[in-house]
Amino acid sequence: GDSVTQMEGPVTLSEEAFLTINCTYTATGYPSLFWYVQYPGEGLQLLLKATKADDKGSNKGFEATYRKETTSFHLEKGSVQVSDSAVYFCALRTGNTGKLIFGQGTTLQVKP
Amino acid sequence: GAVVSQHPSRVICKSGTSVKIECRSLDFQATTMFWYRQFPKQSLMLMATSNEGSKATYEQGVEKDKFLINHASLTLSTLTVTSAHPEDSSFYICSALRGGPRDEQYFGPGTRLTVT
Repeated sequence: GDSVTQMEGPVTLSEEAFLTINCTYTATGYPSLFWYVQYPGEGLQLLLKATKADDKGSNKGFEATYRKETTSFHLEKGSVQVSDSAVYFCALRTGNTGKLIFGQGTTLQVKP
Repeated sequence: GAVVSQHPSRVICKSGTSVKIECRSLDFQATTMFWYRQFPKQSLMLMATSNEGSKATYEQGVEKDKFLINHASLTLSTLTVTSAHPEDSSFYICSALRGGPRDEQYFGPGTRLTVT
């Protein structure tokens, strides 16, 4: 079945460092891909998305490109801030049910 | 942005009792809501899809008689954990679709259930 695999965390970076969180997927059909962020004590929020191959989603300095050839959707940010500390989830959606399949989540901790 | 609330945010109950968790879309109508379960350091596992006015669709392996879902209005879905046991202790998260299945899901902040 469909699945999402993320790099294991936690990821600890210093402020202004470059961030990459790897995400690969397995899916039948043509999924839409998402990154969600969960700040402490809050619900998941959509960070960015891409709906077809070679699309780039971007938001708040974060970017991810839908790579069909490598079935990947890696999250990147050029310069992280302390406020980016959160749990990041990669997810995919196929079909017309609206169902999301999540990766296991990656905790990011940014130190000043 | 769209807001989804959950109540309670945390609950402790005794083994054998039942507990109800509410999920509300505060500023939009949601014909479809989803219920997830999240174990520590693990991903969100979809439990069921809740459609307003019809029976919920449960994922494989989820006991529908144990996890009762009711979606009685376009802004409210409830999850009742019946005859709770310690292994039901978990973080339960709901989400609501604003629009069709290709639209964005909005997530509630979650409910921490502890069964003693």
